[in-house]
Amino acid sequence: AQSVTQPDIHITVSEGASLELRCNYSYGATPYLFWYVQSPGQGLQLLLKYFSGDTLVQGIKGFEAEFKRSQSSFNLRKPSVHWSDAAEYFCAVEGDSSASKIIFGSGTRLSIRP
Amino acid sequence: DTGVSQNPRHKITKRGQNVTFRCDPISEHNRLYWYRQTLGQGPEFLTYFQNEAQLEKSRLLSDRFSAERPKGSFSTLEIQRTEQGDSAMYLCASSYPKKSSGNTIYFGEGSWLTVV
Repeated sequence: AQSVTQPDIHITVSEGASLELRCNYSYGATPYLFWYVQSPGQGLQLLLKYFSGDTLVQGIKGFEAEFKRSQSSFNLRKPSVHWSDAAEYFCAVEGDSSASKIIFGSGTRLSIRP
Repeated sequence: DTGVSQNPRHKITKRGQNVTFRCDPISEHNRLYWYRQTLGQGPEFLTYFQNEAQLEKSRLLSDRFSAERPKGSFSTLEIQRTEQGDSAMYLCASSYPKKSSGNTIYFGEGSWLTVV
């Protein structure tokens, strides 16, 4: 069964600074990987996903993530954060079998320092 | 594409009462998922459907929980004899997996349940 670990519970960065949120997954075969963002009291919005091919994935709102199979990681990055990026970020993994479900990490809360 | 729609958005109920949530997926999406999320946690998988077939149920889904998707379109999640521990946000999501692009899952805004 697949699993996801987000080691950072809460991160604070200054507006304009770069950001990297960590995600490690466990799955025996080729995973599908996702990053979602959630504002308080809202549903989840998909930022980006890795399906196959290029291991550097571009998403919405200026985010990107890199799939590193050797490290079982899928870290999310943004070169310059904006105050509106403050939210909860979830990494998720799905196995590649037809009967797989999507499993989420526990999330990283991002705060932005003015 | 109107997105995944859930209702009611908020429900306050007394312990012991039954509640039902409805989810309307994006049209033509054949997969529909239910998740539960409590404060400070990531969404926990409850169950999912492929068309009208319920393919998997989490052990979190006790006998008091039942989900249906009778015609492969909308779905309902019913919680019987609610307990305070059922208080959470219930998220619905849908998708249409494709060989060319994998499985992209879209979430609704969630239904908040408070059991008092």
